Order: sequence, then structure tokens, then C-alpha cells
Amino acid sequence: GAVVSQHPSWVICKSGTSVKIECRSLDFQATTMFWYRQFPKQSLMLMATSNEGSKATYEQGVEKDKFLINHASLTLSTLTVTSAHPEDSSFYICSAEEGTTNEKLFFGSGTQLSVL
Amino acid sequence: QKEVEQDPGPLSVPEGAIVSLNCTYSNSAFQYFMWYRQYSRKGPELLMYTYSSGNKEDGRFTAQVDKSSKYISLFIRDSQPSDSATYLCAMSSGANSKLTFGKGITLSVRP
Repeated sequence: GAVVSQHPSWVICKSGTSVKIECRSLDFQATTMFWYRQFPKQSLMLMATSNEGSKATYEQGVEKDKFLINHASLTLSTLTVTSAHPEDSSFYICSAEEGTTNEKLFFGSGTQLSVL
Repeated sequence: QKEVEQDPGPLSVPEGAIVSLNCTYSNSAFQYFMWYRQYSRKGPELLMYTYSSGNKEDGRFTAQVDKSSKYISLFIRDSQPSDSATYLCAMSSGANSKLTFGKGITLSVRP
């Protein structure tokens, strides 16, 4: 299957700082990428849908000014957690769509964010 | 009631056992049903993808969908220690619609 690379795999930061997470589709172009958050023993919750060349679409309850998403090319989307706080500590996962169906949805390996 | 319910487990079985994992859902608009396997601190990997009701088999894995009961299952035959992971069900109303995930169940297969 296609490969989606997510970096970094884990990051520790101080409260109030910003953290950027990268999601790359390595062997295909992805017009659409998705960002999820997963708390321990909880399901993946969709945060936003990232479309290349346009503004991201955020799910209800997700602050767009706190979670900045940029999808500047067909192979790269970034999520920046601005002014991070301990409650933002979570496992963040991206996915990229190869084609137009969920069957061709490939996930990155995730980023564990810990905010001190 | 949550849209997708999945028994959180955990579940521990001996090697070679048949494993049955299940999810129920409340949204009758769901048409596409998926099972993902997720190893610790990794992203989910698609195992099975099915449309509407019926069965689908792939090697040791069989997915069943019963839309009338809003119930889906994943069966794993001859389970192996390498099957130890978290299994998440997911579903959507359209082929490229937003996925709604279950919480996942952690499976441990004992050698």
C-alpha cells in the first residue's frame, strides 16, 4: 500500500509554545488529507479535513486558530498546535487519500505530543 | 447513544483460537464498513473494507455486516501472536465521506 510519513513521532514541549507536525504522502499525490486526535482508550476523532490549495475544514468544537493546518502541496500537510497547553497532550494522526474513496485512505504513524 | 459502539475489552486468547470482534451502530445512513488494525503508537492499517450487508473473506479474516441489526463483526481464524493489536471498526455513509470510528478493542494472542 501507499506510504504516509508523519514527523515527528513524539514531541515534548513547554506550555505556551507551538509545535508543528508534518504529514507527507511519499509515493502518491493527495488532494485531501485528514488530521485526527486520539486520547488513550478513545476512538480517533476527526479534527479537520485539509485540501490542497484551500482552507481546511474544521470539525465542530475544534479551534481553527489553535490548530493551524496548511496543505501547500499535493504531498505535504502540516498541523501546528499553537500555544500548546497540557490538555492538548494527545496522539495526533494524519491520513492521506489516494484517489477518492475511503478504501484508499492511508494513515501516518502518529505523533505523541506531551505538553508540560 | 454514541454513533458507533465497540466493546473496549481487552481480549486475551490462546494462539490458534477463533476471535470474534464486534461493533454496533445507530446511524442507518452508514453504508461502508471498515476494520483497521493499529499497533501500539502507530497509525491504523486497513484490514477489511465492505459495502452494505454481507460477508467478505480475506485469508484468515472474515468481515460480516448485518445492516438490519446495525451490527458488524470481524472474525480471525487460527489467531497468531502477531495478530496482537488494537482493532478499530469504522464506517461512513458514502465512499469518500467522513469516517466514524469505534473506540477499538485490544487483542492479545498468547503463544
